[in-house]
Amino acid sequence: SQTIHQWPATLVQPVGSPLSLECTVEGTSNPNLYWYRQAAGRGLQLLFYSVGIGQISSEVPQNLSASRPQDWQFILSSKKLLLSDSGFYLCAWSPPPSYYGTEATEEAFFGQGTRLTVV
Amino acid sequence: AQSVTQPDIHITVSEGASLELRCNYSYGATPYLFWYVQSPGQGLQLLLKYFSGDTLVQGIKGFEAEFKRSQSSFNLRKPSVHWSDAAEYFCASGSGGFKTIFGAGTRLFVKA
Repeated sequence: SQTIHQWPATLVQPVGSPLSLECTVEGTSNPNLYWYRQAAGRGLQLLFYSVGIGQISSEVPQNLSASRPQDWQFILSSKKLLLSDSGFYLCAWSPPPSYYGTEATEEAFFGQGTRLTVV
Repeated sequence: AQSVTQPDIHITVSEGASLELRCNYSYGATPYLFWYVQSPGQGLQLLLKYFSGDTLVQGIKGFEAEFKRSQSSFNLRKPSVHWSDAAEYFCASGSGGFKTIFGAGTRLFVKA
């Protein structure tokens, strides 16, 4: 079965420090991978998605970047954190397009999230 | 452009009462539609999904949703709410492409 791991669960970082959040997916090949941010009292904002190794699409201009060095690995980074980067970050995966038309659809499977507080 | 609207930011219902959470989508073709639930500090869990066939879909935890093409809606319902249902609920739409669009969420409060 497929599993998704996201860490750390909580993180407190000073303004101007770097950031690296990691997400890994096991049990599936070539998944679509996503990073979402959920600010307090707001919905989910799609930050980045990836359809393959080294392929990153950015949804909003921001202080963050993403990388996919391995098929199963998705990393969210920042060189210098801002106070506004605080929030709840969620990694997710969904089956690749070749699965469409079978029982698999575009449902997304989420990690447990990382609570980032920038102080 | 594809979009998902959840008109209610928060809803309060009494335990045992019925529940309906609203969701409207904007997309030319029939999208994939989902409802997710998020408990505080946790990731999202899929409640149910629709992509074709019967427009009334059953999900986990006693939830159901009905797809109405004429109204571009996919409302979530539950006949009798339990205190453990208090959470945030997200409607989402996939386009058959590579990403899912989420609504802003509706926070459900359950009062005794």
